[in-house]
Amino acid sequence: DTAVSQTPKYLVTQMGNDKSIKCEQNLGHDTMYWYKQDSKKFLKIMFSYNNKELIINETVPNRFSPKSPDKAHLNLHINSLELGDSAVYFCASSVAGTVLDGNTIYFGEGSWLTVV
Amino acid sequence: AQKITQTQPGMFVQEKEAVTLDCTYDTSDPSYGLFWYKQPSSGEMIFLIYQGSYDQQNATEGRYSLNFQKARKSANLVISASQLGDSAMYFCAMRGRSSNTGKLIFGQGTTLQVKP
Repeated sequence: DTAVSQTPKYLVTQMGNDKSIKCEQNLGHDTMYWYKQDSKKFLKIMFSYNNKELIINETVPNRFSPKSPDKAHLNLHINSLELGDSAVYFCASSVAGTVLDGNTIYFGEGSWLTVV
Repeated sequence: AQKITQTQPGMFVQEKEAVTLDCTYDTSDPSYGLFWYKQPSSGEMIFLIYQGSYDQQNATEGRYSLNFQKARKSANLVISASQLGDSAMYFCAMRGRSSNTGKLIFGQGTTLQVKP
């Protein structure tokens, strides 16, 4: 059973389209994230939700809108896709807690988005 | 500001030998956690090992150990008895006390190739 699952794994779409990536975790975690990995493999956080509430929004264009219907799901909707949005998007989750708890952040398998 | 630096873009190691992947960090947080993740060519992000800033002993997980030198602000990953399946990209990451929300700051990554 996949702990953090995201769909679709691959997505090729045209500029200007709107697309969504879905994420679900079955770990019982309180906190979920979206990270973006660019073409140079650099990973950076985009959003974080704790119990369905947005707690991190890292200067992401407002074309990106996360939605958390419940604490096990965090979807990412992208409007008006641009070439520069091509990347791998990772969903992740963790238990809430202090940094010294070592609460590991578990990642999904990634969604490869290509905008043409 | 927090920063992670991995200065080795690529490394080679002979099968069955040990290899050290370097990671230095910078933070003003008194408490922080350090993580290593493995990203094989299939793309998923796999958690390997965690070290808390107040941990007295270096973390170990099977063939992985973390050489934590707090004064030098380094958290090198040591892989013993390398296997062909260890060929992957490795990321060092940090989470500071100011990031109890769970935000991880990642390094640039090191690509490890294990030679038979």
